[in-house]
Amino acid sequence: NAGVTQTPKFQVLKTGQSMTLQCAQDMNHEYMSWYRQDPGMGLRLIHYSVGAGITDQGEVPNGYNVSRSTTEDFPLRLLSAAPSQTSVYFCASSMGTNEETQYFGPGTRLLVL
Amino acid sequence: SQQGEEDPQALSIQEGENATMNCSYKTSINNLQWYRQNSGRGLVHLILIRSNEREKHSGRLRVTLDTSKKSSSLLITASRAADTASYFCATDARTSYDKVIFGPGTSLSVIP
Repeated sequence: NAGVTQTPKFQVLKTGQSMTLQCAQDMNHEYMSWYRQDPGMGLRLIHYSVGAGITDQGEVPNGYNVSRSTTEDFPLRLLSAAPSQTSVYFCASSMGTNEETQYFGPGTRLLVL
Repeated sequence: SQQGEEDPQALSIQEGENATMNCSYKTSINNLQWYRQNSGRGLVHLILIRSNEREKHSGRLRVTLDTSKKSSSLLITASRAADTASYFCATDARTSYDKVIFGPGTSLSVIP
């Protein structure tokens, strides 16, 4: 199993540009989530999904959209990038709900100029 | 506000010493997890302790949970240079949401 994969590893955007951060898992996990990590802030939950077709907002959802059309994929979309979205983004998945171990991807470093 | 907060923010010890990190949280939980993050990497799960458990061991790791004080501690015994990393506690808020909330982390440096 590849586990949780994220692409790209690094991206530079200009303010106002859009992009999609890809996340995929091959463990047949129902629960997937996106976090952003900023210095001194730990990980903050952006959006999460408890299964295909079901998504919900986390702590900091503004400026981000998600969809879950398949169990395997959970892309994160930035419609109009802002410098405040410069961060490291992590995708995670787990078998079930919040009582399960989460498996993290390697992260995507995003710089918005 | 964050559900979990680790203490201290940074810890520096000599190899062979024990390292203790604490986590405090605000609302009732179902479980609490500890994760490790090496520099530039994703998080790796270390241990999960449920709300009805008081102590759990895994190798050199010992985790305690005190639900009355809403706090947990992670003890790493006989530390090694390879233990140098950031450590995060994560809690589920016992609400209608299936959210896992992370604290800001403790940065541990183990000096050889």
